[in-house]
Amino acid sequence: SQQGEEDPQALSIQEGENATMNCSYKTSINNLQWYRQNSGRGLVHLILIRSNEREKHSGRLRVTLDTSKKSSSLLITASRAADTASYFCATDLRGNEKLTFGTGTRLTIIP
Amino acid sequence: DVKVTQSSRYLVKRTGEKVFLECVQDMDHENMFWYRQDPGLGLRLIYFSYDVKMKEKGDIPEGYSVSREKKERFSLILESASTNQTSMYLCASSLFRGNTQYFGPGTRLTVL
Repeated sequence: SQQGEEDPQALSIQEGENATMNCSYKTSINNLQWYRQNSGRGLVHLILIRSNEREKHSGRLRVTLDTSKKSSSLLITASRAADTASYFCATDLRGNEKLTFGTGTRLTIIP
Repeated sequence: DVKVTQSSRYLVKRTGEKVFLECVQDMDHENMFWYRQDPGLGLRLIYFSYDVKMKEKGDIPEGYSVSREKKERFSLILESASTNQTSMYLCASSLFRGNTQYFGPGTRLTVL
């Protein structure tokens, strides 16, 4: 199974609400990253959180990391229609130096 | 801004053809990667390169090869295309290993 697994697989919310998606992984990491992919396009890097960090913010994005539970969450506050996309977590495994991607959460913002 | 370009957005080839997918980055990154993306499977690493002339197999290298003659260019080669190689192919580059990757727009390849 995937190193990083996002939950839920799909999420639909009203514009203005907050969206939360989660990522679980199996082995020790150096860092965890979140990416966004608009339909049929390449991925865009959103945020990177290192294994010794617990929380990070970037604009309307908040990422938390709990290494004891091997999980991370991405919170998008005050969602907008333009946030409609797929969101992927990627882990940099300790000793590996490559990224392993999850299968993604498909987020739909309803205007 | 980092720019990663891929030679084609859409490509249709026939079974048995040799297919070349080109990727170019303009930020002098050492590290380059090829992934394929399929529904329900996420991104899977095909090949990567940490230096010119250097290449390493990823998780699913079978049926593919790569070439990196220049630092900025990383090519993915399908030696004899098959229908199960119909997929979205994504190229990426990074400055540091395990760090932020910058992706191209992707090539949607259909093999008939």
